[in-house]
Amino acid sequence: GAVVSQHPSWVICKSGTSVKIECRSLDFQATTMFWYRQFPKQSLMLMATSNEGSKATYEQGVEKDKFLINHASLTLSTLTVTSAHPEDSSFYICSARDHPGTNQPQHFGDGTRLSIL
Amino acid sequence: GEDVEQSLFLSVREGDSSVINCTYTDSSSTYLYWYKQEPGAGLQLLTYIFSNMDMKQDQRLTVLLNKKDKHLSLRIADTQTGDSAIYFCAEIQNQAGTALIFGKGTTLSVSS
Repeated sequence: GAVVSQHPSWVICKSGTSVKIECRSLDFQATTMFWYRQFPKQSLMLMATSNEGSKATYEQGVEKDKFLINHASLTLSTLTVTSAHPEDSSFYICSARDHPGTNQPQHFGDGTRLSIL
Repeated sequence: GEDVEQSLFLSVREGDSSVINCTYTDSSSTYLYWYKQEPGAGLQLLTYIFSNMDMKQDQRLTVLLNKKDKHLSLRIADTQTGDSAIYFCAEIQNQAGTALIFGKGTTLSVSS
């Protein structure tokens, strides 16, 4: 089946550091990937939709200069949290659909836990 | 706006059936999904149902859809301790059908 891989799975870093998270579709091409954020004991909130070869579409309230998204190939999207601060600590999860433009299920990565000290 | 509501917690004994309920708001949703999240992990797709169906069964899982009441349920038969996790229902967020909106998740606790 379709597999989405995220890397790294856990990051701990100092405040002010920029952190890059990778999301890869391993056995399919994904023209669209999605980035979610999840706080402890809460639901997933969509941050942005990443489109291959074009700019990402950000949800209301998400700072595009803070959360940089690059989708340079059909199998890789990256999320860079720039100048991270403790309030950015969260669980970040990406997903992709192996049949774009349809309502087929999204496949999720295992998530990246980001802890900012 | 769109909203997906779930009960937050369910506790059952091993071998019993579990029923997790969800209500959604967008009557135009074409697909509705159930995902499972184990601690510290991503989301695993359990099952999904197309809106023209009332029921879908997949091994121990049964999904019931009541479109009139916008109610979705997930029944897990013969619940095992390995089923302990958070279960999210989700519906399509936008008209393009490209994003999902999730409920807050139901924590299922299975005791032996």
